Amino acid sequence: NAGVMQNPRHLVRRRGQEARLRCSPMKGHSHVYWYRQLPEEGLKFMVYLQKENIIDESGMPKERFSAEFPKEGPSILRIQQVVRGDSAAYFCASSQPVVGANVLTFGAGSRLTVL
Amino acid sequence: KQEVTQIPAALSVPEGENLVLNCSFTDSAIYNLQWFRQDPGKGLTSLLLIQSSQREQTSGRLNASLDKSSGRSTLYIAASQPGDSATYLCAVRLYNTDKLIFGTGTRLQVFP
Repeated sequence: NAGVMQNPRHLVRRRGQEARLRCSPMKGHSHVYWYRQLPEEGLKFMVYLQKENIIDESGMPKERFSAEFPKEGPSILRIQQVVRGDSAAYFCASSQPVVGANVLTFGAGSRLTVL
Repeated sequence: KQEVTQIPAALSVPEGENLVLNCSFTDSAIYNLQWFRQDPGKGLTSLLLIQSSQREQTSGRLNASLDKSSGRSTLYIAASQPGDSATYLCAVRLYNTDKLIFGTGTRLQVFP
C-alpha cells in the first residue's frame, strides 16, 4: 500500500501562471481532503471531496482556487493566476467513507513557490 | 468557532529530558483529538489519537492526555532523544465531520 501520493513534491511558478497539484488517495479510500500550510503557520482546511462530489469547500478561497476528484484518476487542486501569497505547502489526506470514524492519512505534501 | 492553540511555540532541550507539550481548544464538543509529528519538508505522521470518551493514550515514550471540560490536551515525551526533533501538531475533529482543525505547532529541538 503506497499511502497517499502527492505530486509534484515541489513546484515553482511565476506570478500569473497556473498550478496543478495532484493527490492519489490510499487504496480503498474514497474521501480526500486538502490542507494548506503557510510558512510558520498550522495547517488550514481547504476542501473535502469524495469522487465526483465536493462535500465541504468552506476553506477554499473564493477566487482562483478549485478542486476536483473525478471518478477515475487523482484529485486535483488547481490554482489559477498564482500570486506570491499562494506560496505554501499543500497537503492531501484521505480516509475511508465513514464520516467521523477514521484517522486521516496524510501525504508528504506539495510545496509551491511563486516567484 | 473552534480555535486550537499550542504552547510553547518552540522548545530546545538537552537529550534525556522529559517534556510536556500543551494544546488547548476553545470548544469542548470535539469528537477526538490527534497528535501529529511533522519533520522538515515532509508530511504528517500520526502519533496518538484520543477519542472524546478517553482520558489518555500511550505509545512507547509518548503519552497524550485529554481533558475535554477544560479544553486541554498534553503530549508527554519521556527521555527525549535527538530523533524526537520535529514539529508537533495537535488537531481536533468535531462531530459529524472529518475536518481537522490544527494548532500552529510546537517546534522541538533535542540536542545531544
